[in-house]
Amino acid sequence: AQSVTQPDIHITVSEGASLELRCNYSYGATPYLFWYVQSPGQGLQLLLKYFSGDTLVQGIKGFEAEFKRSQSSFNLRKPSVHWSDAAEYFCAVGTNTGNQFYFGTGTSLTVIP
Amino acid sequence: GAGVSQSPSNKVTEKGKDVELRCDPISGHTALYWYRQSLGQGLEFLIYFQGNSAPDKSGLPSDRFSAERTGGSVSTLTIQRTQQEDSAVYLCASSPLLGGQETQYFGPGTRLLVL
Repeated sequence: AQSVTQPDIHITVSEGASLELRCNYSYGATPYLFWYVQSPGQGLQLLLKYFSGDTLVQGIKGFEAEFKRSQSSFNLRKPSVHWSDAAEYFCAVGTNTGNQFYFGTGTSLTVIP
Repeated sequence: GAGVSQSPSNKVTEKGKDVELRCDPISGHTALYWYRQSLGQGLEFLIYFQGNSAPDKSGLPSDRFSAERTGGSVSTLTIQRTQQEDSAVYLCASSPLLGGQETQYFGPGTRLLVL
């Protein structure tokens, strides 16, 4: 069965520091991979997605993510975090064998001055 | 253009009452999903609709939950005889087409509290 794991429930970083949020998935074929961000009281907004091709994808707000098939990972990175990046981040997997999406439990990011 | 809207934004109800949650998808989007987000949990898939096709109800947790989509647009999620464990944020999302590669556009959610 498909599943998504986000090992870090909560991360705290200083403003200006680099960030990496981890995501591991379980799926037999090449998945469609997504990162969404949820600000307090808001719905989820797409940051970036991977379907095929270049394994390093660029997204909005200066985020990027790298698909590593050998590690079944799709980690999200940002070189310099801004206070406005404080939010909940969700990794999600879509498949070509069904129409459902599988979400991780999310990583809550706190940014300190 | 307008995004996905949901109403009400908050709902407090008493155990045993029925509630209806509404979702207005983005115009022209044929696929519509409902999810439940409980504290500390990821998004739990409930149901999706695609155009006029029969919905996939495989994620509905019990027969107290039902949903419909009228005219291929607005959707209503109904929870009958609410229980305290139904307390959660209910999110609706729409996408232009159905498929695992599609970007989902989420509404702000309805926060349901069952007392």
